Amino acid sequence: GAVVSQHPSRVICKSGTSVKIECRSLDFQATTMFWYRQFPKQSLMLMATSNEGSKATYEQGVEKDKFLINHASLTLSTLTVTSAHPEDSSFYICSAVEQSNTGELFFGEGSRLTVL
Amino acid sequence: EDQVTQSPEALRLQEGESSSLNCSYTVSGLRGLFWYRQDPGKGPEFLFTLYSAGEEKEKERLKATLTKKESFLHITAPKPEDSATYLCAVPPNRLAFGKGNQVVVIP
Repeated sequence: GAVVSQHPSRVICKSGTSVKIECRSLDFQATTMFWYRQFPKQSLMLMATSNEGSKATYEQGVEKDKFLINHASLTLSTLTVTSAHPEDSSFYICSAVEQSNTGELFFGEGSRLTVL
Repeated sequence: EDQVTQSPEALRLQEGESSSLNCSYTVSGLRGLFWYRQDPGKGPEFLFTLYSAGEEKEKERLKATLTKKESFLHITAPKPEDSATYLCAVPPNRLAFGKGNQVVVIP
């Protein structure tokens, strides 16, 4: 299946700093990518839909100024957690749609963010 | 609003003890139901897509089936390596995920 790479896999930062997470589709072009966060033993919660070349669409309750999403190319989307706080600690996962196939979603490996 | 409910939330199986996981959904205009496997600390791994009632798909010890209201993931003679959380989800864009079925297979 298609490969989606996420980096970094783990990051620890101090409260108040910003952290950038990258999501790349390695062997296909993804016009749409999705960002999720997942708390322990919980389901994936969609944060935003990222479309190449346009502004991201955020889900209700997700602060767009805190979670900056950029989808500058057909293979790269980034999520920046600005002024991170301990409550932002979570598992962040991206996914991408392989348009040439049946619209199946392929997921990155996830990024574990710990804010001290 | 689209809803996905998975049961049981947790399941412990002896190696070789077959069982089934349930995913019930309420979606207007279903355009497919997806099954994923998620290991701890990792992103979900795609397993199956089912598009119409009566459809079945198989992969090794897993078989997914679909009716108009629910999907089942059958695990036949499971092995410890089948231990994972199994997620079902419905598209399209706002993919709604169930909480998952956490499966532990004991040797």
